[in-house]
Amino acid sequence: EPEVTQTPSHQVTQMGQEVILRCVPISNHLYFYWYRQILGQKVEFLVSFYNNEISEKSEIFDDQFSVERPDGSNFTLKIRSTKLEDSAMYFCASSEPQNYGYTFGSGTRLTVV
Amino acid sequence: LAKTTQPISMDSYEGQEVNITCSHNNIATNDYITWYQQFPSQGPRFIIQGYKTKVTNEVASLFIPADRKSSTLSLPRVSLSDTAVYYCLVGARSGAGSYQLTFGKGTKLSVIP
Repeated sequence: EPEVTQTPSHQVTQMGQEVILRCVPISNHLYFYWYRQILGQKVEFLVSFYNNEISEKSEIFDDQFSVERPDGSNFTLKIRSTKLEDSAMYFCASSEPQNYGYTFGSGTRLTVV
Repeated sequence: LAKTTQPISMDSYEGQEVNITCSHNNIATNDYITWYQQFPSQGPRFIIQGYKTKVTNEVASLFIPADRKSSTLSLPRVSLSDTAVYYCLVGARSGAGSYQLTFGKGTKLSVIP
């Protein structure tokens, strides 16, 4: 079964540092997403990406966040200057155009210290 | 986005059928109903999706009455490995084509030996 792959699985970073979370979506999927889940809380939408541009973004996705598809396979989330409250599990997902079902990756646990 | 209400938690013995009901009174005409499963420290996993009547796959069944104001996820003969949080989501594609998922707190299913 095709998978969405995320790296690294764990990332510890100091407050104020930049982090890049990486994702390889399923190859024939065209929509890409980032979600996050703070420990014990709901899964929250961050951003959707299609045709090399952002389709939608939430209020969480402020100027500190950016996404990029640098090549034909990777999809990245960059946090420019991390804050303690950015500590969370970050999930990448992808979907086909005509399919409402997402495939999520296993996540990157980001810890900001 | 339509708001959903589902039980916070449920317990079941192994081998029993489990039915989790979700209410979505303000579902819109274009909305689909989708259920996801999430294990601790993992990304949500798509289970099943439907628009009306009944949908069945190898994992579960989804029952949707004619008024579509509720839906029931049915898991046949649960095992310990079905212990997870189950989310009911309702929504449709945006004008931009993406499908933003809004997760609630879900139903924590505990399967007891």
